[in-house]
Amino acid sequence: GAGVSQTPSNKVTEKGKYVELRCDPISGHTALYWYRQSLGQGPEFLIYFQGTGAADDSGLPNDRFFAVRPEGSVSTLKIQRTERGDSAVYLCASSLRGENTEAFFGQGTRLTVV
Amino acid sequence: AQSVTQLGSHVSVSEGALVLLRCNYSSSVPPYLFWYVQYPNQGLQLLLKYTTGATLVKGINGFEAEFKKSETSFHLTKPSAHMSDAAEYFCAVSDGILTGGGNKLTFGTGTQLKVEL
Repeated sequence: GAGVSQTPSNKVTEKGKYVELRCDPISGHTALYWYRQSLGQGPEFLIYFQGTGAADDSGLPNDRFFAVRPEGSVSTLKIQRTERGDSAVYLCASSLRGENTEAFFGQGTRLTVV
Repeated sequence: AQSVTQLGSHVSVSEGALVLLRCNYSSSVPPYLFWYVQYPNQGLQLLLKYTTGATLVKGINGFEAEFKKSETSFHLTKPSAHMSDAAEYFCAVSDGILTGGGNKLTFGTGTQLKVEL
């Protein structure tokens, strides 16, 4: 596609439920990032993939959060036993490999836990 | 550890006036610095970036920023504001390459720019 696509754009779930958020990166981009943006804050790094492997998952807040990228393209962020504090906009970005490459962001998935 | 401070969560300017959005950073290594813009219901878009070389960086839509190491600043400016510049602006810093190649960005809390007639 032309840009990074994230689905769904909005997700409302009940506390304790499991959710999956999907990211389709730009074709050919080997690097993929997940960020979380809480209300009134800047995006915070969660996890980074280079190809299929999670090269850095230091930003995941706890073991309820997990992300996969099995074929090196689409990625899914999975949240178990959701809590109200998980409510935020989850952003995905992709880029070519390298230190000076631009990261292109998707529009995000707004997750609301009620 | 890195951090970014954006002074002023809301800035209001008149159309045609100078835009100045402030960003100060903290980094233990020579930083890479970025400004992103976020329009309502859209993703973050890169305005400009500093990696190495010339400290005055020009970006899209007439914006520019100057890296000042002595002041640990990377303020964003535009000589003449336009109504279409109204958006939220984020400054971000990276310390370079992640394992496997990549940039982990640390963002500021953002500045909402309002442009008035």
